Amino acid sequence: QKEVEQDPGPLSVPEGAIVSLNCTYSNSAFQYFMWYRQYSRKGPELLMYTYSSGNKEDGRFTAQVDKSSKYISLFIRDSQPSDSATYLCAMKRGSQGNLIFGKGTKLSVKP
Amino acid sequence: DAGITQSPRYKITETGRQVTLMCHQTWSHSYMFWYRQDLGHGLRLIYYSAAADITDKGEVPDGYVVSRSKTENFPLTLESATRSQTSVYFCASTGQDPEETQYFGPGTRLLVL
Repeated sequence: QKEVEQDPGPLSVPEGAIVSLNCTYSNSAFQYFMWYRQYSRKGPELLMYTYSSGNKEDGRFTAQVDKSSKYISLFIRDSQPSDSATYLCAMKRGSQGNLIFGKGTKLSVKP
Repeated sequence: DAGITQSPRYKITETGRQVTLMCHQTWSHSYMFWYRQDLGHGLRLIYYSAAADITDKGEVPDGYVVSRSKTENFPLTLESATRSQTSVYFCASTGQDPEETQYFGPGTRLLVL
């Protein structure tokens, strides 16, 4: 079993839809959870960062971490065509640990 | 300009040649990383460095060599390129603050013929 599992999609939604992106993981030692956004032919950029369990909101984006289920989610409200990108989840064990990435989910938001 | 840069952005080489990919960051970050990104595999860690003169292997180090003589630079060398090393290579860096996360460069697209 891979340490981090992420459905690669692709996922296609109409503009204005609520998008739900998810990752599962197997290692209960993970404490730091991130979501990166990667536009085509660009490097990944940090979107959301969460420590331990709980929710974090930033504008149209909400990150949720459920450590009991080893499941993390990213919700995008009122999705826009500019949200079309690949979204990668990432996590690490300790503050100085290496990041373990999911394979990424490709999202397309149609106008 | 502050940030993390990679050069070259695109490179075509032949099997057996030595290739060096450059990475430079201006934040004085302690940690630097090299990843490769391939379809179906996502981002995989090749090597990382915790400070100047300290490097360690990641998930897929075979065929690669790194050095870190200066904090700001972290070159990645393919000693004898193979077709399987055709990929997009990303450099990243992060500081000592546990709340910080990794910042990525724009990537180098490498094609080995």
